[in-house]
Amino acid sequence: GDSVTQMEGPVTLSEEAFLTINCTYTATGYPSLFWYVQYPGEGLQLLLKATKADDKGSNKGFEATYRKETTSFHLEKGSVQVSDSAVYFCALRAGAQKLVFGQGTRLTINP
Amino acid sequence: DVKVTQSSRYLVKRTGEKVFLECVQDMDHENMFWYRQDPGLGLRLIYFSYDVKMKEKGDIPEGYSVSREKKERFSLILESASTNQTSMYLCASSFFDEQYFGPGTRLTVT
Repeated sequence: GDSVTQMEGPVTLSEEAFLTINCTYTATGYPSLFWYVQYPGEGLQLLLKATKADDKGSNKGFEATYRKETTSFHLEKGSVQVSDSAVYFCALRAGAQKLVFGQGTRLTINP
Repeated sequence: DVKVTQSSRYLVKRTGEKVFLECVQDMDHENMFWYRQDPGLGLRLIYFSYDVKMKEKGDIPEGYSVSREKKERFSLILESASTNQTSMYLCASSFFDEQYFGPGTRLTVT
């Protein structure tokens, strides 16, 4: 079945550091790919998405590129801030409206 | 602004009790979902509904049921709560690709 694997956390960085959170997927066909973010005490919200190979999703300084050849959708940000501390989920949609989520990566940014 | 609300942020129930978790969306979305979130496991789909009175099992439906009598409301029911159902429960509704989530209900079963 479809699945998503994220790098294990937690991840701790200093402010202004470069961020990469790895995400790889297994799916039949051509899924849409997403990154969701969950800030403390809140529900998930969509951060960015890509719907076809080589698409780049971007939002709030975060970027991720849909790489079909490596079945990956890694999340990157050039300079993180304390306010980026949250849990990040990679997800795919392969059919209907159902999403399959990775296990989540907790990110902590220290000032 | 998009809004998904859940009836409680925190809930404590005893083993064997019947538990109702309510979710309401104000976006006229047809699709609604219930997930549980556990550390290291991410989000797992319990049930979803694509129309009023329609429901489909997700990946972990055992021990749960759902009700959707009105388009805006989707209820999750634990018929007889057990300690292994202690978890964070998240409701979502969707329009096309994007799912909108409520703040979650942290349920503790003692």
